[in-house]
Amino acid sequence: EAQVTQNPRYLITVTGKKLTVTCSQNMNHEYMSWYRQDPGLGLRQIYYSMNVEVTDKGDVPEGYKVSRKEKRNFPLILESPSPNQTSLYFCASSHDSYEQYFGPGTRLTVT
Amino acid sequence: GENVEQHPSTLSVQEGDSAVIKCTYSDSASNYFPWYKQELGKRPQLIIDIRSNVGEKKDQRIAVTLNKTAKHFSLHITETQPEDSAVYFCAASQYGGSQGNLIFGKGTKLSVKP
Repeated sequence: EAQVTQNPRYLITVTGKKLTVTCSQNMNHEYMSWYRQDPGLGLRQIYYSMNVEVTDKGDVPEGYKVSRKEKRNFPLILESPSPNQTSLYFCASSHDSYEQYFGPGTRLTVT
Repeated sequence: GENVEQHPSTLSVQEGDSAVIKCTYSDSASNYFPWYKQELGKRPQLIIDIRSNVGEKKDQRIAVTLNKTAKHFSLHITETQPEDSAVYFCAASQYGGSQGNLIFGKGTKLSVKP
């Protein structure tokens, strides 16, 4: 089954404790992206990757890191999480940056 | 950079009525305009998209129109049904170049009353 998976789906952590949210797709897509969704603000792009070893900042990259060492994986790293990073995070992938297939989401709470 | 404004933020219609959601964009270089539907607790899913070389696209009860001169595009849903209730997001991007940014509007919560 073609899909985008994210782990964990729910995470509660404390300020400053490094964490990684994994994202994996099995559709051989070149393009992958991370978004955060906050009430009233819609979906905002954090980082995106057009292919392996190619990453670019989206609209809200501060406080986040990504890497794209393999085509199928695109982890999101929060080196020192803060409460303002409490959000719902979506990973997405696309063959040609047209239709994006979203993962199920990761709900992160930073206390 | 690109900025996408979406209106209204909430929309309530009676079943069977039409619903229209409007978006404006700022960057004339944008050439791809998708619409995503997000049901409660679910992930966003593409429902229709339009590229800048066409002015209108239809898929059953859903249509999207694009006015490049005015830099706005709209989603039209006819004969609305309760299952159309969801949050709808418009977006804009520049496809074909090195840009991979997809800029979303803030969303419209559509409620269809039986």
